[in-house]
Amino acid sequence: DGGITQSPKYLFRKEGQNVTLSCEQNLNHDAMYWYRQDPGQGLRLIYYSQIVNDFQKGDIAEGYSVSREKKESFPLTVTSAQKNPTAFYLCASSLRDVNSPLHFGNGTRLTVT
Amino acid sequence: KNQVEQSPQSLIILEGKNCTLQCNYTVSPFSNLRWYKQDTGRGPVSLTIMTFSENTKSNGRYTATLDADTKQSSLHITASQLSDSASYICVVSGGGADGLTFGKGTHLIIQP
Repeated sequence: DGGITQSPKYLFRKEGQNVTLSCEQNLNHDAMYWYRQDPGQGLRLIYYSQIVNDFQKGDIAEGYSVSREKKESFPLTVTSAQKNPTAFYLCASSLRDVNSPLHFGNGTRLTVT
Repeated sequence: KNQVEQSPQSLIILEGKNCTLQCNYTVSPFSNLRWYKQDTGRGPVSLTIMTFSENTKSNGRYTATLDADTKQSSLHITASQLSDSASYICVVSGGGADGLTFGKGTHLIIQP
């Protein structure tokens, strides 16, 4: 079955540590995205990539970094510079057609204490 | 500033009843409007996408409407089932990979 896999589902880290969230897709989609979801707020775009070896900052990129070395993979690193990292992180992919839907993974819930 | 407002914030209905969720937007330019369903602890799943020229689109028991003149959309759920309990998110695209504006969602609970 085609889809997006995010791992792990739950992640716990101490403050000051960097952590990397995995996102893999086998839908052959060119575009991939990272969103952050907080209670009572709409999804906010962190980073996106429309092609291998290229990515762009979204609305809230500070404290995050990404790479896109393979079409299938778009890992997100939450660095110690992110002031409030505890959140639900969603990865998505789509065709590059503006009218194509986003296909989301089932998220990683990150808790930093 | 682009905004998407959804109402109500939450809704409880009995199984088998119909309901309608609302979405008002101030996004310009406009490319399309999407509705997603998000079960608790999971990623959103696409229900419909409507472009400027479409004013109704159905997906099973879900029917979305779009009035591009008044910048309003609704999602109507017919004969609700327990599995319809979820958050429903309205998303408006202004074009471009970074052009999506997400609403905060309507939390729907279906009671037996």
